Amino acid sequence: KQEVTQIPAALSVPEGENLVLNCSFTDSAIYNLQWFRQDPGKGLTSLLLIQSSQREQTSGRLNASLDKSSGRSTLYIAASQPGDSATYLCAVLGGTYKYIFGTGTRLKVLA
Amino acid sequence: GAVVSQHPSRVICKSGTSVKIECRSLDFQATTMFWYRQFPKQSLMLMATSNEGSKATYEQGVEKDKFLINHASLTLSTLTVTSAHPEDSSFYICSARAAGGFMNTEAFFGQGTRLTVV
Repeated sequence: KQEVTQIPAALSVPEGENLVLNCSFTDSAIYNLQWFRQDPGKGLTSLLLIQSSQREQTSGRLNASLDKSSGRSTLYIAASQPGDSATYLCAVLGGTYKYIFGTGTRLKVLA
Repeated sequence: GAVVSQHPSRVICKSGTSVKIECRSLDFQATTMFWYRQFPKQSLMLMATSNEGSKATYEQGVEKDKFLINHASLTLSTLTVTSAHPEDSSFYICSARAAGGFMNTEAFFGQGTRLTVV
């Protein structure tokens, strides 16, 4: 059974810092991995999608990497801003064709 | 990107009544839709998978008679919480995967429905 874990569970950083969020999964047989952002009380906003054959994806200040063999993905946020404050979720699509979500990282960027 | 509309965004209902939540894919056809539930400060837990024209597949521990799912068309799936109780209060989110293409295509998510049962 696929299990997805995110570390840290919560993170508080001053504005301008570069930061890394981690996602690990137990079954490396995945089709893709997706990173989402969720603001309090809101739905999900897709940030980056990495196919299993890809190593990384970039969008603006965000860079996501995937090491499928070791069951890890990282989300790198450059020059963090208060507007980046949210919960970040990773989700993997595996053999069951269902997205399994991680436990989430609550990020707070202080002005 | 593709748009998934979920309605209503918030609903308050009395204990014992039923509530229906709609999930629509606005600009694409979705053969498969998923329903998730999220408790406060927790991650999303998959409740069920619905394929157009067939019965939904429920995850272990989810009561199919309580959470009725209908996927009657390629653009609409509904989740009905029957005889709702306060413990059913939660955030419900749907997602839809486009028809055609490969199974590993991106899934698109609705904005969620906050259900409060009083």
